[in-house]
Order: sequence, then structure tokens, then C-alpha cells
Amino acid sequence: GNSVTQMEGPVTLSEEAFLTINCTYTATGYPSLFWYVQYPGEGLQLLLKATKADDKGSNKGFEATYRKETTSFHLEKGSVQVSDSAVYFCALSDPRYSGGSNYKLTFGKGTLLTVNP
Amino acid sequence: GAVVSQHPSWVICKSGTSVKIECRSLDFQATTMFWYRQFPKQSLMLMATSNEGSKATYEQGVEKDKFLINHASLTLSTLTVTSAHPEDSSFYICSARPGQGLQPPYEQYFGPGTRLTVT
Repeated sequence: GNSVTQMEGPVTLSEEAFLTINCTYTATGYPSLFWYVQYPGEGLQLLLKATKADDKGSNKGFEATYRKETTSFHLEKGSVQVSDSAVYFCALSDPRYSGGSNYKLTFGKGTLLTVNP
Repeated sequence: GAVVSQHPSWVICKSGTSVKIECRSLDFQATTMFWYRQFPKQSLMLMATSNEGSKATYEQGVEKDKFLINHASLTLSTLTVTSAHPEDSSFYICSARPGQGLQPPYEQYFGPGTRLTVT
């Protein structure tokens, strides 16, 4: 079956530091990959996505590249801000594994990021 | 746009009682809604998928008679935890998918979650 493994948290950084959150996956087919962010008290929001090998997803200064050879989708940001403090989830969807159109998501355990001023 | 709400945001109930959680898509029609359960420091676990007007599809290991899901309209799905026990205490999250979404990727819009505590 499908699975997602992301680095254990929590991660604590100072403002303007470089961020990397590692994510690797196991999938039976050709998944799409996602990063979701959950700010305190809010629902998960899609941060970025990539649908095929070598695609780079980017949003709000965050980037992640779909690496099929290493089955990875690491999240990076060059200079974090206090407002980036949140829980970050790596996820995949594999329509073949999901049985067609329902596109079920498989999530990692989440990584809590705290950015201090 | 694309806002999903859940009600209540938190609920405490006594063991043996039932509790209903509502999930609403506020500004779009959701043909498919998903229900997740999240344990502390754990990932979201998909419990079931519901399509409007049809029976929900439950994931392996999820008791369909205990977690009743109704998706009676394109904007509302409900999860009823029947005869709740302390082990059912958890964070329940719904998400909604608009339209038919023929091509990946697509977005699921998540609700803020409901904290259930069974005493």
C-alpha cells in the first residue's frame, strides 16, 4: 500500500533561517504529491503540489520537487518567518490505488514548525 | 472561497451516548466528502468517503455501525458516533471535494476539526 514518511518534529528555527522538512513516500502507482499546512485553530490548507516526476511545486516562498528516483518530496524555504509557524503535512494521492475518482489522500504524521523572532 | 465548516468545534459527552458532527461546504457544492480521525502526534487517518446521495465507503477497520455517515445534500455531511466510549475520543476532521475532478491534482478543502472527548 501507499505510505508517507516525514521527518519527526518539532522543528524550531529563528526568523530568516533556512527550512527543510524531509518527506519520502512509497506508492504502488504514480502518485501526485502535496504539502498541506495547518495553522493553529484552522483546517488543513493545500500549500503546494506536484503531479509528476521533476515537477516543482511552489507557493508563498515554499518549494518542493517531485523526485521519483529517491521517492522524495522535501519541503524547503529560504527564509522563514514567524507567521510560518504551523504543522506541515506531506501527502500523496494515487488514483489507481484509490480505485478511481475518489483520490484518497495518504498523509504523513505532520511536522510542527516553530519560528522564533 | 472554498470554506468548509464543522460544528461543533469541541464536544464532551458521556460514555454510551451518541454525538453528531456536522460538516458543511459554505460556498461550493461537494459531491464527495471525507472523514478523518487524528490522534495526538499522529497522521490523519481516513475513516470513510461519502458521495452525495449514496452510502459511505468505509476504510478497513472502521466500524460502519459505530460511525454513521450521512451525506444527504451537496453541502452537508454528518458523522454520528454511536454509543461513544473513551477510546473514541479524538480529533475528527472532514474535507470536501467540489465537482467531479476528472484530472489530478485536485484540492480537498478541510474543515477546522472537532475535538471529541468521551468521559
